[in-house]
Amino acid sequence: EIVMTQSPATLSVSPGERATLSCRASQSISSSLAWYQQKPGQAPRLLIYGASTRATGIAARFSGRGSGTEFTLTISSLQSEDFAVYYCQEYNNWPQFTFGQGTKLEIK
Amino acid sequence: HLQESGPGLAKPSETLSLTCTVSGGSISSRSYYWGWVRRPPGKGLEWIASINYSGSAHYNPSLMSRVTISVDTSKNQFSLKVNSVTAADTAVYYCTRPTVTGGMDVWGQGTTVTVSS
Repeated sequence: EIVMTQSPATLSVSPGERATLSCRASQSISSSLAWYQQKPGQAPRLLIYGASTRATGIAARFSGRGSGTEFTLTISSLQSEDFAVYYCQEYNNWPQFTFGQGTKLEIK
Repeated sequence: HLQESGPGLAKPSETLSLTCTVSGGSISSRSYYWGWVRRPPGKGLEWIASINYSGSAHYNPSLMSRVTISVDTSKNQFSLKVNSVTAADTAVYYCTRPTVTGGMDVWGQGTTVTVSS
């Protein structure tokens, strides 16, 4: 079983600054990684798949990097609407999935 | 578009049944699976199960002894049953669409299920 570990649990950043969120897999998953954003009362929204490909309609300020076991999601210049919980998800054995525990991005 | 339906309340030890109706496209597309994800209060997302149009199903090992996912192509729906529910099954349940390129690109709005006597 693959375990996904996200860090930090909470990240405090000021609007306009850059935020970098991390996700580590317990074993290599190649580039089989997605990132989601979830706001209170809403369903998750797919941001990134294939570790670095933005989903349809996702702003260019969101970027994903990494392969193997180490991954990052970077938001280049935080907007007010970006403050939310972010989850990574592995799909190395698609269509089986494992989510990380989430990182809460809050306003500093 | 995906829309969940089911009871908002279940009693401990009962079986919970949820249905997801797919609109705006066919559930029989070979490009997708269909799945369920839940989020317990104060916790993160948990994948439960996935199924394709032909009934090929995959389950989270931690839940597979208690859950069954099924598909009804004639109704463009798929369903989830969770047996012997406890308070730990209290969550918002989402239906979703895993794509072959990776990720889950479409989600229902979610349905809240509370397990309580």
